[in-house]
Amino acid sequence: QVQLQESGPGLVKPSETLSLTCAVSGGSISAYFWNWIRQPPGRGLEWIGYVYYSGNANYSPSLNRRVAISVDTSKNQFSLKLNSVTAADTAVYFCARGVTTAAFDIWGQGTMVTVSS
Amino acid sequence: QSALTQPASVSGSPGQSITISCTGTSSDIGGYNYVSWYQQHPGKAPKLMIYDVTNRPSGVSNRFSGSKSGNTASLTISGLQAEDEADYYCSSYTTSTYVVFGGGTNLTVL
Repeated sequence: QVQLQESGPGLVKPSETLSLTCAVSGGSISAYFWNWIRQPPGRGLEWIGYVYYSGNANYSPSLNRRVAISVDTSKNQFSLKLNSVTAADTAVYFCARGVTTAAFDIWGQGTMVTVSS
Repeated sequence: QSALTQPASVSGSPGQSITISCTGTSSDIGGYNYVSWYQQHPGKAPKLMIYDVTNRPSGVSNRFSGSKSGNTASLTISGLQAEDEADYYCSSYTTSTYVVFGGGTNLTVL
């Protein structure tokens, strides 16, 4: 079955760029909407954005000026870049597959990213 | 976009039924049939339990059911079991931010 796996640095310095990749295995990335969702420690979920396999992306308005999500169909993976990070960006970052409108049926295990000098 | 409103906690005894509410507005829950519910155990990724208000993904127990009335959606768990103890999040499509989540409800099985 389809599985997702996040990877990337667990520690990012303030003002730098957070970069994560989500590898899709067991199925093709060439369908569905591929999402990034984060969860600050002890808090709720926040949708960051999605990318379609064609490369079209949509972002949360609150993060729109700092975020970019891209897809690499040749590697069956998609990526997140969030620039100018602050401590408020410290969170567990999940990648997830969008199964229907605004519903996510397959999730990665999540990766903790801490923003600190 | 404010988060959808959920009770912070609910509890129930094994075998009982509980309902978790999720209140939004006409711009999200009330305007579209795109409400989802997720179960999250500590340290784990969320698991989709209900989508499109009432639909259960394959493999999800039929003890879980969803409904909606006006701007409020509900998740009902019948025949409560110890393994149901977890955090539950609702979400809805919204024209302003694509998707908005609730603040989460901690379910305790007594």
